[in-house]
Amino acid sequence: GAVVSQHPSWVICKSGTSVKIECRSLDFQATTMFWYRQFPKQSLMLMATSNEGSKATYEQGVEKDKFLINHASLTLSTLTVTSAHPEDSSFYICSARGDSVADTQYFGPGTRLTVL
Amino acid sequence: ELKVEQNPLFLSMQEGKNYTIYCNYSTTSDRLYWYRQDPGKSLESLFVLLSNGAVKQEGRLMASLDTKARLSTLHITAAVHDLSATYFCAVDIQGGSEKLVFGKGTKLTVNP
Repeated sequence: GAVVSQHPSWVICKSGTSVKIECRSLDFQATTMFWYRQFPKQSLMLMATSNEGSKATYEQGVEKDKFLINHASLTLSTLTVTSAHPEDSSFYICSARGDSVADTQYFGPGTRLTVL
Repeated sequence: ELKVEQNPLFLSMQEGKNYTIYCNYSTTSDRLYWYRQDPGKSLESLFVLLSNGAVKQEGRLMASLDTKARLSTLHITAAVHDLSATYFCAVDIQGGSEKLVFGKGTKLTVNP
């Protein structure tokens, strides 16, 4: 089956610093990647949708200048949390899908971000 | 705004028992997904339901979709401890784009 990886799996950073999370599709070309965040004991909230080579589409209430998304290739998307604050601490999950209508999205293992 | 409501949110059951988790959604969609999440882990895809009347089964889990009623069910048969996890339903709100709205999840605990 399709495999999506994320790196790092966890990260701890100081308030005010920036953190980059990578999402890779290992065995298929991902024309679309999605970024979600999940607070403890809560559901997943879609943050943004990115298509290879174009700007990401952000959901309402998600600051695009704070959460920078780059989808530069068909196998890699990155999420950069800029000037992180403790309230940004969360579980960030990416998913990826191919370009067929029948394709479903495959989820990465997630990245746990803790901002001190 | 699409709303996806799951119930119950918490479910504690004995091994061997049957139970159903319900997922209601508020707008038209014909693509619904069920996922499993173990603590600290990401999502595992269980079922993709793509049309009205779709029914899929895998082991002790069976999912169905009624697009007219905007309702999906996840039925658990003869529960075992290994099924303990949080189960999410998610609805595709843009006709195949897989832009998903998730329910709040049902935390299932199966007691020996």
